[in-house]
Amino acid sequence: EPEVTQTPSHQVTQMGQEVILRCVPISNHLYFYWYRQILGQKVEFLVSFYNNEISEKSEIFDDQFSVERPDGSNFTLKIRSTKLEDSAMYFCASSRDNSLQETQYFGPGTRLLVL
Amino acid sequence: KNQVEQSPQSLIILEGKNCTLQCNYTVSPFSNLRWYKQDTGRGPVSLTIMTFSENTKSNGRYTATLDADTKQSSLHITASQLSDSASYICVVSPYSSASKIIFGSGTRLSIRP
Repeated sequence: EPEVTQTPSHQVTQMGQEVILRCVPISNHLYFYWYRQILGQKVEFLVSFYNNEISEKSEIFDDQFSVERPDGSNFTLKIRSTKLEDSAMYFCASSRDNSLQETQYFGPGTRLLVL
Repeated sequence: KNQVEQSPQSLIILEGKNCTLQCNYTVSPFSNLRWYKQDTGRGPVSLTIMTFSENTKSNGRYTATLDADTKQSSLHITASQLSDSASYICVVSPYSSASKIIFGSGTRLSIRP
């Protein structure tokens, strides 16, 4: 069964450094998403992406964040200058469309630790 | 403010028993309500999706119900198995935004042999 994959599974970085989290969505999906989950807290929506542009973003997704689909398969989340509070699990998800009954399929996540 | 609240926060039951998890939401209007299962350190996996017009949806041993009038949903698990140990998360999509889904904090379910 097709699945969303994410790399790396774990990333440790120094505060102020740039990180790029990578995702390979399911191949026939058109909508892509990033979420984050700070340890012990709820999953939070960051951004959705369709047709090579951001369709929606949350208040969390400020100028430090950017997303890109550099080729036909990868979907990336870049954090320009990481802060301690960026430490979290980051989940990528994809869906065929954004209709009411459509399922979002989540990847296994990347655990980011900012020191 | 749109919120999704779940109860109980955690639950321990014996293998083979049934259980029911609750979700209350204030999101209005909403387009759909989903239940996800999240194993520790893994991404959420969809169990059921219900639109505002549906009352119940089943997926194997999982049955979700929805009461749009009281803004409550429940997830019933029958004949629990050890592999059901996980967090179960209620997720609601506002009608105005299919993407900006709102997650509950989840119920941590532990199945004991």
